[in-house]
Amino acid sequence: DQQVKQNSPSLSVQEGRISILNCDYTNSMFDYFLWYKKYPAEGPTFLISISSIKDKNEDGRFTVFLNKSAKHLSLHIVPSQPGDSAVYFCAALADRGSTLGRLYFGRGTQLTVWP
Amino acid sequence: NAGVTQTPKFRVLKTGQSMTLLCAQDMNHEYMYWYRQDPGMGLRLIHYSVGEGTTAKGEVPDGYNVSRLKKQNFLLGLESAAPSQTSVYFCASSYNGRPYNEQFFGPGTRLTVL
Repeated sequence: DQQVKQNSPSLSVQEGRISILNCDYTNSMFDYFLWYKKYPAEGPTFLISISSIKDKNEDGRFTVFLNKSAKHLSLHIVPSQPGDSAVYFCAALADRGSTLGRLYFGRGTQLTVWP
Repeated sequence: NAGVTQTPKFRVLKTGQSMTLLCAQDMNHEYMYWYRQDPGMGLRLIHYSVGEGTTAKGEVPDGYNVSRLKKQNFLLGLESAAPSQTSVYFCASSYNGRPYNEQFFGPGTRLTVL
């Protein structure tokens, strides 16, 4: 049962425009959300995160928005650059309880930024 | 610092063979994890460890065993490999399980079971 869902397997965006990657979750115990970026033949690397007490977190060109009532988060990349082409994974965890430290990943979205 | 390293990088096994994947981290992290990534499936947690000498099951533990005899090493074993275990395996570590301590991933091991 997929508790974190990324329903778009791929996204193609022109350089300079905005990329919006979406993620939905089902487990109301999740209270922290992260985005990881993965290039081919490399391990995922942490990109940005957000706590459930916030609805927005910004880091340079990357902004994550959280809508708790809808159990939905999105990653905005503005402006998009060719080097952003990668697979983006949404992940969530509960900061308490027996599953402390366990990340639940979505299936990923392949972002392609073309010149 | 090397971060998280994994050996081997590639391996081909025949059905029924056994092997051990080694993960090492030099960041003095308490928590370590083994994930597998399959096409269209994202990363799924196999086993994890919250400290030296401790291990716990993740989402897909069947067919795998792990050991954490030293804090810096986390071993993943396949006793009798099956084609369904063809995957890319990632090891990760974090200082502890709190969300503001990010998980650092190794480069992965690509395993093919024929």
